[in-house]
Amino acid sequence: GAGVSQSPSNKVTEKGKDVELRCDPISGHTALYWYRQRLGQGLEFLIYFQGNSAPDKSGLPSDRFSAERTGESVSTLTIQRTQQEDSAVYLCASSLRLTENIQYFGAGTRLSVL
Amino acid sequence: AQSVSQHNHHVILSEAASLELGCNYSYGGTVNLFWYVQYPGQHLQLLLKYFSGDPLVKGIKGFEAEFIKSKFSFNLRKPSVQWSDTAEYFCAVKGNAGNMLTFGGGTRLMVKP
Repeated sequence: GAGVSQSPSNKVTEKGKDVELRCDPISGHTALYWYRQRLGQGLEFLIYFQGNSAPDKSGLPSDRFSAERTGESVSTLTIQRTQQEDSAVYLCASSLRLTENIQYFGAGTRLSVL
Repeated sequence: AQSVSQHNHHVILSEAASLELGCNYSYGGTVNLFWYVQYPGQHLQLLLKYFSGDPLVKGIKGFEAEFIKSKFSFNLRKPSVQWSDTAEYFCAVKGNAGNMLTFGGGTRLMVKP
């Protein structure tokens, strides 16, 4: 596609439910990143993938958060047993390769946990 | 761990005023530096970047930034802002510890017509 695509654009869920967020990177981009942006704050790194290498999960805030990516395509971020503090905009970015540091961002998924 | 500070959280300017947004980072090694902009209702877009070479870099829409290694700074400047520059601006750093970006908290710029 022309850009990074994320779905859904908005998600409202109840505390304790699981949610799954999707990211379609730019075609041909081998690196994919997930960030979280809480209200009024900057972006926090969560996880990144590069090709078939083991992902860097160092930014995941708890074991309720996980992400998968199949090859160099779609990625899903899963949050289990959501909490109110998980409310944020979840942003996905991709870059042409790991050494190409220009990251292109999607529009994000706004998650609201009631 | 590396960190990025943007000292101005909100800036209000009139059109044609000059702009300087501060960005300081706390990483002593080789860095790549970025400014991203988020216009109202739009996604984050790259404004400019510094990898190496000339420490004064020019980006889109008349923006520039200067990397001052001794001050660990990468301030964003524009000599004359326009109403259309109203947006949130984020400074970001990539160090050698990984390939993720570390972002500052952002600066909301409002330009009054």
